[in-house]
Amino acid sequence: DAGVIQSPRHEVTEMGQEVTLRCKPISGHDYLFWYRQTMMRGLELLIYFNNNVPIDDSGMPEDRFSAKMPNASFSTLKIQPSEPRDSAVYFCASSQTILTGGLSYEQYFGPGTRLTVT
Amino acid sequence: DQQVKQNSPSLSVQEGRISILNCDYTNSMFDYFLWYKKYPAEGPTFLISISSIKDKNEDGRFTVFLNKSAKHLSLHIVPSQPGDSAVYFCAASPYYNQGGKLIFGQGTELSVKP
Repeated sequence: DAGVIQSPRHEVTEMGQEVTLRCKPISGHDYLFWYRQTMMRGLELLIYFNNNVPIDDSGMPEDRFSAKMPNASFSTLKIQPSEPRDSAVYFCASSQTILTGGLSYEQYFGPGTRLTVT
Repeated sequence: DQQVKQNSPSLSVQEGRISILNCDYTNSMFDYFLWYKKYPAEGPTFLISISSIKDKNEDGRFTVFLNKSAKHLSLHIVPSQPGDSAVYFCAASPYYNQGGKLIFGQGTELSVKP
């Protein structure tokens, strides 16, 4: 299994530009999560999807952030316009519902995208 | 409002000794707790977990202790090895959880010196 795939691994952009981060979850996983890691706040949950439907976007910091999941194998996180304070590492993670009806708390993370906005 | 707190940003331990990483939480509705380990340039990976109905869970060199009355959990690594050097994140999930949502702490960077 290839695991969670994220692209690009590094992104450097200028303030005001649009940034799009991409994620391919593990095949068969029905939950997808987007996180942001900063020194001050650690790992913050931005938004998560279940079966391609956004469930909780309360962690999205501003309207400049948006996320989509058009199908089970692809999700994007977009920042428009980007600002220097958006500089962070962005992680995508996926998990699956246990077939017996329980919840799988174990999330599998991608390698992250390091975003730098100058 | 940080519901899960790791107050020690870093910890340095000698190889072979015990490493103790601490985590405090404020939400009494959390009922499942996890520890993740993160190496540089990689995503976090699951290490060990504990349900609120238990006060201890052990997996090899790793043991997690939960003190519900104090809203405190800790991860013990015995003996510590240089390969354990990483950032450790504590995470919690509320009983009304929707879909495995986790709340993470800020992380503690562990350095195990040979």
